[in-house]
Amino acid sequence: EVQLVQSGAEVKKPGESLKISCKASGYSFTSYWIGWVRQVPGKGLEWMGIIYPDDSEIRYSPSFQGQVTISADTSVNTAYLQWSSLKASDSAIYYCARSGGYCRGGRCYSSGYLQYWGQGTLVAVAS
Amino acid sequence: QSALTQPASVSGSPGQSITISCTGTSSDIGGYHYVSWYQQHPGKAPKLIIYDVGKRPSGVSNRFSASKSDNTASLTISGLQAEDEADYYCNSYSNSSSWVFGGGTKVTVL
Repeated sequence: EVQLVQSGAEVKKPGESLKISCKASGYSFTSYWIGWVRQVPGKGLEWMGIIYPDDSEIRYSPSFQGQVTISADTSVNTAYLQWSSLKASDSAIYYCARSGGYCRGGRCYSSGYLQYWGQGTLVAVAS
Repeated sequence: QSALTQPASVSGSPGQSITISCTGTSSDIGGYHYVSWYQQHPGKAPKLIIYDVGKRPSGVSNRFSASKSDNTASLTISGLQAEDEADYYCNSYSNSSSWVFGGGTKVTVL
């Protein structure tokens, strides 16, 4: 069974750093892209970026490029989303999700659809 | 990179069919065959209901169907049921080498 289990809720102050995690199980971690999605409570979904754990290729949304860092550790089947200096506007629920796609020439590519989702991590940033 | 445009709300009576539109540009929906749709109930993670324009994942009701024409994708829910009341989001690949969501549509079952 494919499962993505995210780290727990965080309460932080502006300017602090943060790294949240998404631990995958039930499939080959290096064969599928993992994406991150932001949702401010009461608002819509925002696509942040996606990583291919096998070689750490990352694609960021232009809106989030430079604002967050996406990474993955294949030794623990875990993807990460981190901030170096949080702002109040970063307060939101963050979801990780496994992407589907196709494989060609020994490498897999994402079609962008997010098939399996984590439970979400609530990040609250306030002074 | 702008969000795709969806109607804020759509409503229908049980048993009816409704259609949600998702309008983009030739740089996203019109240029690629990578459109997906998600259903989200309050307090829950989104659920994939359509991928690659019109394909349904295993286990998703065949009451959900989708297509695209030019720069607009559409999701149709037939035989509307109370459990279909939720928010729906479209998503498309964009030529900025990333993906973009629509603003979301709240479906109300009257």
